[in-house]
Formats: sequence, C-alpha cells, structure tokens
Amino acid sequence: NAGVTQTPKFQVLKTGQSMTLQCAQDMNHEYMSWYRQDPGMGLRLIHYSVGAGITDQGEVPNGYNVSRSTTEDFPLRLLSAAPSQTSVYFCASRELAGRYNEQFFGPGTRLTVL
Amino acid sequence: SQQGEEDPQALSIQEGENATMNCSYKTSINNLQWYRQNSGRGLVHLILIRSNEREKHSGRLRVTLDTSKKSSSLLITASRAADTASYFCATASGNTPLVFGKGTRLSVIA
Repeated sequence: NAGVTQTPKFQVLKTGQSMTLQCAQDMNHEYMSWYRQDPGMGLRLIHYSVGAGITDQGEVPNGYNVSRSTTEDFPLRLLSAAPSQTSVYFCASRELAGRYNEQFFGPGTRLTVL
Repeated sequence: SQQGEEDPQALSIQEGENATMNCSYKTSINNLQWYRQNSGRGLVHLILIRSNEREKHSGRLRVTLDTSKKSSSLLITASRAADTASYFCATASGNTPLVFGKGTRLSVIA
C-alpha cells in the first residue's frame, strides 16, 4: 500500500492564482481530511469528508473548496490564493467506524503564496 | 479551536534521559492519541489510549490518561537522538474530526 499520497510536494503561487492540491489514499478509508500547519499553531482542520459525496467544514475553511467524488481522492482547491494561505498542508485518512481511529497522514505540500 | 494543549512547548534533554510530555483537553473523549512529526514530514501515529484505560505501553513509550483531570502524559524512556521530533496529542470523540494540540518540540542531545 502507498498509504496517503500528496502532490505536489512544493508549490509557489502568486496572489490571485488558483490551484488544486491532490490527495489520494489506497486503504479504502471512508474518512479523509485536510489540515494546515503554521509555525506555533499546530494543525488546524480545513475540510473533511466522511465518504464519497459528503464534505464538511473544519476550523479554517475560508478560501478553500473540496469535493469527494471517489473514496480514494480528496482534492483541495484554492480559488484565489492569498499570502495568508502560505503554509504546509497535510491530507489524512482513517477508517470511519470502529473503535480504532488511527489517522494516516500524507507527506505534506509546502505552499508559498507571493 | 484546538482541544488538546501540550506542555511544555519545548523540551531539551540528554540522550539516555526520560522525556515526559503532558496533554490537557476540555471535553469528553473516546480516546486520546499521540503522534510524532519529524522535521518536514507528516505525522506518524504512536499510540492510542481509550477513555476506559489508565495506562498503556508500547516499547519505550508509556502513556497515561486521567479522565477526571482531562489530562494525559507521554513518557519516552531512555531517549535517543532519533527521538528528536515534535509530539502532538489528539483527541477523538465519536466520528468527529481529530483535534490536535500545538505540540511539544523535543530535542535529544547526543
């Protein structure tokens, strides 16, 4: 299993540009989520999904869109990038049901918005 | 808002010493998890303790949970330079998203 994969690893954007951060998992996990990590702020939840066709907002959703058309993929879209979105973005997945909720993380995408 | 709060924010110890990190949280939980993050990498799950458990061991890791005080501690015994990383606690309630703290940065000096 590849686990959780993210592309690209690094990206530089100009203010106002749009882009999509890709996330895929091959563990058949129902639950997927996106976090951003800023220095001194820990991980903050952007959006999450409990299954194909279902998404919900997390703590910091403004400026980001998501969709979940398949179980495997959960792309994060920045419609009009702003310098405040400079951050490291992590995608994660886990099983939805059951008592064990270990979350698996991708390697991250480091985004810089100029 | 973040539920888990780790303490201390940073910790520096000598190789071979024990490292203790604490986590406090605010609401009822199903379980509490600890994760490690090496610099520039994603988080890796270390250990999970359920709300009806008080202590759990995994190799050199020992986790305790006190639900009455809404706190947990992570002990790493006989630390090694390779343990240098940031450590995060995360709380789980039902199927709601995991909520992470801000982390403790551990430096183990050889």
